[in-house]
Amino acid sequence: GAVVSQHPSWVICKSGTSVKIECRSLDFQATTMFWYRQFPKQSLMLMATSNEGSKATYEQGVEKDKFLINHASLTLSTLTVTSAHPEDSSFYICSAGEIAGGSYNEQFFGPGTRLTVL
Amino acid sequence: QKEVEQDPGPLSVPEGAIVSLNCTYSNSAFQYFMWYRQYSRKGPELLMYTYSSGNKEDGRFTAQVDKSSKYISLFIRDSQPSDSATYLCAPSTGGGNKLTFGTGTQLKVEL
Repeated sequence: GAVVSQHPSWVICKSGTSVKIECRSLDFQATTMFWYRQFPKQSLMLMATSNEGSKATYEQGVEKDKFLINHASLTLSTLTVTSAHPEDSSFYICSAGEIAGGSYNEQFFGPGTRLTVL
Repeated sequence: QKEVEQDPGPLSVPEGAIVSLNCTYSNSAFQYFMWYRQYSRKGPELLMYTYSSGNKEDGRFTAQVDKSSKYISLFIRDSQPSDSATYLCAPSTGGGNKLTFGTGTQLKVEL
């Protein structure tokens, strides 16, 4: 199956700093990438949908100025958590949708990035 | 009411048991019904998906969708310790559209 990577796999930062997380589709082109957040023992909550070359669409309640998303190419999307605070500590997961014909385009998930803000 | 409801478990079964995992949903526009498996501290991986109502079988796994009752099931036959993970249902309104995840059911298959 298609492979999606995330970097870094884990990061610890001080409160007030910004952190950038990269999501790459390694062997396919992704028109759409999704960013999720998952708190311990909870489900994945969609934060935003990112389309290559256009602005991301944020879910209700997600601050677009705090969670900056850039989808500069068909294989790379980045999520920047600006002025991070301890409550932003979470597991961030991206997924990428493959450009393909047919009626269903599978989303492939990255391994996740664990962010801890001190 | 959440769009997708799933019993979080944990569910503990002996090796070889048949496991039944279930979800209910409220959005009648959902057309695709995915099941993902997530190991601890990893991203989800797609197990299988079903379009509209009906059954789909893949090896030891069978997915069932009853749109009339808005009920989704995943059955695992001959469960193995390696099946121990969290199983998430995730319906969608369209093939490439966003997924709405249930809370996930934590399954533990014991020797």
